[in-house]
Amino acid sequence: DAGVIQSPRHEVTEMGQEVTLRCKPISGHDYLFWYRQTMMRGLELLIYFNNNVPIDDSGMPEDRFSAKMPNASFSTLKIQPSEPRDSAVYFCASSLTSGGAGTDTQYFGPGTRLTVL
Amino acid sequence: AQSVSQHNHHVILSEAASLELGCNYSYGGTVNLFWYVQYPGQHLQLLLKYFSGDPLVKGIKGFEAEFIKSKFSFNLRKPSVQWSDTAEYFCAVNLRTGANNLFFGTGTRLTVIP
Repeated sequence: DAGVIQSPRHEVTEMGQEVTLRCKPISGHDYLFWYRQTMMRGLELLIYFNNNVPIDDSGMPEDRFSAKMPNASFSTLKIQPSEPRDSAVYFCASSLTSGGAGTDTQYFGPGTRLTVL
Repeated sequence: AQSVSQHNHHVILSEAASLELGCNYSYGGTVNLFWYVQYPGQHLQLLLKYFSGDPLVKGIKGFEAEFIKSKFSFNLRKPSVQWSDTAEYFCAVNLRTGANNLFFGTGTRLTVIP
């Protein structure tokens, strides 16, 4: 199994530009999560999907952030327009429902390190 | 609001020293508990997890954690650390309410001196 795949691994862009981060979850997993990690705020959940449907997007910081999951094997996180304070590492994770007993292990991707100049 | 507390922000130990990292959560219901590790420059990896049964859970690389329900704690332990254990450690809690997101602690950075 290739694990969770994220692209790009590094992204450097200028303020005001659109940024699109991509994620391919582990095949068969029905949950997908987007996190942001910064020194100041630690690891924050932005949004998560179940069976391609957004369940909780309360962690999305602003309207500049949007996420989609058009199918079970692909999700995007878009920032438009980007700002320097969006600089962070963005992780995608996927998991499998453990039959009503809450979430099972989340498997994390390698992350995308975003730098907005 | 639910929260996960890791009171040790940075721990520095010499090799062979024993390790205990604290984790407390504030939720009275049934929970699933996790410890993740993030080695420098890498992504989070599962160290161990507790769903039910024996409250003493053994994980990879000699780590273990004990769930003490009365104390709302899930402390991570290792009897003898190695330089390669240098990493950031995150405690996480899942509330069995039907939602499937994890609440993460702020992390504890462990530095092991050779």
